[in-house]
Amino acid sequence: GIQVEQSPPDLILQEGANSTLRCNFSDSVNNLQWFHQNPWGQLINLFYIPSGTKQNGRLSATTVATERYSLLYISSSQTTDSGVYFCAGKAAGNKLTFGGGTRVLVKP
Amino acid sequence: NAGVTQTPKFQVLKTGQSMTLQCAQDMNHEYMSWYRQDPGMGLRLIHYSVGAGITDQGEVPNGYNVSRSTTEDFPLRLLSAAPSQTSVYFCASSYSGPGYGYTFGSGTRLTVV
Repeated sequence: GIQVEQSPPDLILQEGANSTLRCNFSDSVNNLQWFHQNPWGQLINLFYIPSGTKQNGRLSATTVATERYSLLYISSSQTTDSGVYFCAGKAAGNKLTFGGGTRVLVKP
Repeated sequence: NAGVTQTPKFQVLKTGQSMTLQCAQDMNHEYMSWYRQDPGMGLRLIHYSVGAGITDQGEVPNGYNVSRSTTEDFPLRLLSAAPSQTSVYFCASSYSGPGYGYTFGSGTRLTVV
């Protein structure tokens, strides 16, 4: 199966700072998604982004499918952005594979 | 619209016991799947289904059974619980076609003693 690597593994931000999270895939993928797991464990779908760029408020994501990576941008971070961010994608077939996550802590 | 509902939220089992984790969705999604989340290991796919009557194995299927008799329900059965199955279990669903993201349930925290 495909390998999904996320970096950095941990990130500490001061409230108001900007940051970029990266997701690399070992093979071409479709159905690329970003998720946020909040401190209570709930997984929320942030973006479905197999290619191109999307924005949702202070979050945006860019996927360069030909180079097998995706980036998640957090701007003007808030304490509510804390949690773990996961990317996931499918190669051929129906199995969505997740990366190990980036743990983000935003300090007030 | 309840989304994806998982029950129970918490469960403690003794080694060797069996149980069923329930997952139901009311969005008419064709695709449903079960993941387990262990500390430091992200989410790993256990089983998935692309429609009623169709199931397939994921990355870590051993010790688990599934069935999909209706579009709405996708139960996960632990046949003989082992301590290695202590984990948080998530159910997810989506439409099968391109352009749709996954919706996750709130999870079941299972402890096997």
